[in-house]
Amino acid sequence: KQEVTQIPAALSVPEGENLVLNCSFTDSAIYNLQWFRQDPGKGLTSLLLIQSSQREQTSGRLNASLDKSSGRSTLYIAASQPGDSATYLCAATNQAGTALIFGKGTTLSVSS
Amino acid sequence: GAGVSQSPRYKVAKRGQDVALRCDPISGHVSLFWYQQALGQGPEFLTYFQNEAQLDKSGLPSDRFFAERPEGSVSTLKIQRTQQEDSAVYLCASSLGTDRNTIYFGEGSWLTVV
Repeated sequence: KQEVTQIPAALSVPEGENLVLNCSFTDSAIYNLQWFRQDPGKGLTSLLLIQSSQREQTSGRLNASLDKSSGRSTLYIAASQPGDSATYLCAATNQAGTALIFGKGTTLSVSS
Repeated sequence: GAGVSQSPRYKVAKRGQDVALRCDPISGHVSLFWYQQALGQGPEFLTYFQNEAQLDKSGLPSDRFFAERPEGSVSTLKIQRTQQEDSAVYLCASSLGTDRNTIYFGEGSWLTVV
């Protein structure tokens, strides 16, 4: 059974700092891996999607990498801003493509 | 509509009551998913539809949970004889095709069972 783990559970940084969020998964037979952002009381917003054949994806200040062989993905946020404060969730899509398996998330707080 | 719409946004049910949660996916989206998110946890998969066909219901926690999408658009998640452990946010998501790409989530239906 696929299990997704995110470390750390919470992170506080001052504005302007670069940071890395970690995600690991137990079953490398995934279709893709996605990173989402969730603001309090809101749904999830897709940030980046990495296909299983890809190694990384970039969008603005965000860069996500995928290493299937080691079962790891990282989300790199450059020059963090207070508006980046949210919970970041990593999810692996099963090979059938019918389900996302989520980690518990990393709650990020960026202080000005 | 512009996004995935869910109703009601908030529901308080007495234990033993039946509830129905509605999801309006983005128009034209083939795939529809339901997830359950407990406080402080990541979402957990419940069920998946491709058009009107329920292709995966492996995440439904018990036979008290039932989902349908009869015309391939709007979906309803029904919970019978609610129990306190059913208290959670129920998230609906849709995607355009069946190619396992970008998924759009609604804001969720917050269910509290008292």
